[in-house]
Amino acid sequence: DQQVKQNSPSLSVQEGRISILNCDYTNSMFDYFLWYKKYPAEGPTFLISISSIKDKNEDGRFTVFLNKSAKHLSLHIVPSQPGDSAVYFCAASAWGKLTFGQGTILTVHP
Amino acid sequence: GAGVSQSPSNKVTEKGKDVELRCDPISGHTALYWYRQSLGQGLEFLIYFQGNSAPDKSGLPSDRFSAERTGGSVSTLTIQRTQQEDSAVYLCASSQSRDRVNPSTDTQYFGPGTRLTVL
Repeated sequence: DQQVKQNSPSLSVQEGRISILNCDYTNSMFDYFLWYKKYPAEGPTFLISISSIKDKNEDGRFTVFLNKSAKHLSLHIVPSQPGDSAVYFCAASAWGKLTFGQGTILTVHP
Repeated sequence: GAGVSQSPSNKVTEKGKDVELRCDPISGHTALYWYRQSLGQGLEFLIYFQGNSAPDKSGLPSDRFSAERTGGSVSTLTIQRTQQEDSAVYLCASSQSRDRVNPSTDTQYFGPGTRLTVL
């Protein structure tokens, strides 16, 4: 039972355009959501998070949106840069334990 | 240290041998997690330590896998009688104690991982 799903294994975007990464979850007990970025041969790096009491959190070029009724969150990166190319994992937390999605490979072309 | 550290960074072993992987969490973090990432796969939860509570071992794939956390800090993941399917990157993460008022304490910080190759 995969409680957190990233249905797009990959995404390709032109530099300067918006990247939208999506994530769906099934467990209504999740109350905190995170996005991590992972480069090859490195551990995941925390990127941005959102509490379930909010519907939007913005940090520079990165914005996370949460739609609780749809059990859906998304990460927007604008403008996208070639250095953003990495694997992006969404994660959801219930009482401290994170459940991760399968990841989406983002490629930003110059 | 400033972040989570893991050792060794790479480990090559022969099938049937035992291996030990080490994780040093961020100082003051009471929660520690082990994950693995096999080639082309997502992050697979293995085990979770929270303070003095009994660990959550629900993700361990077989009884060949075990983990300890001594003194509430350093953790060792042991794989006995390694198999080729154990080849993966093993990642450790730590976080603060869960704060009901501030769930951002759930944010996990990862180490660089140990790449295990079983020949």
